Amino acid sequence: AQSVTQPDIHITVSEGASLELRCNYSYGATPYLFWYVQSPGQGLQLLLKYFSGDTLVQGIKGFEAEFKRSQSSFNLRKPSVHWSDAAEYFCAVGSSNTGKLIFGQGTTLQVKP
Amino acid sequence: NAGVTQTPKFQVLKTGQSMTLQCAQDMNHEYMSWYRQDPGMGLRLIHYSVGAGITDQGEVPNGYNVSRSTTEDFPLRLLSAAPSQTSVYFCASSRSGGTSNTEAFFGQGTRLTVV
Repeated sequence: AQSVTQPDIHITVSEGASLELRCNYSYGATPYLFWYVQSPGQGLQLLLKYFSGDTLVQGIKGFEAEFKRSQSSFNLRKPSVHWSDAAEYFCAVGSSNTGKLIFGQGTTLQVKP
Repeated sequence: NAGVTQTPKFQVLKTGQSMTLQCAQDMNHEYMSWYRQDPGMGLRLIHYSVGAGITDQGEVPNGYNVSRSTTEDFPLRLLSAAPSQTSVYFCASSRSGGTSNTEAFFGQGTRLTVV
């Protein structure tokens, strides 16, 4: 079955510290992978995406993610977190034939001053 | 560019009432989808469409109907609202082809409460 797992429901980091949000997927075909961010009361904004090629992808707001096929993972990282990064983060795997996305449960990031 | 527009933003329904959530996109995207977001469950796919006249069920389709008569519009109908349908609903669109330009664009959501 196709699925996405985000093991961490809630993460708290200090401002300026590094961040890694975990994402594991199960998908039969070549995965199209995405990270979205959602601020309270807002819609979803795309941070970055992976389709093929270089397994380390750069996104907006200083985020990056690494695709590891052997581990079925697509973890999101940021070297230095800012208070404005506090939000909910969703990992998703997508189908190129239908546009459907399967989302993980989400990880809420809290940033301590 | 308006992108994906959802109306209304907020709605309160009584159990048993019906209503339609509107979704329109102006990017000429072939693919459109409806999701519901519930705490701790991420977003779950309700229905999706790969083009005008073509729709299919997602993970949680019961209690909802959709149609796609034009490329731009993809309304979601609640037939007889139930408290279990209290949720935030998101519409998304994307272009077909699965290239590096493919990404889903989301509307701002409709917060629905069924009492």
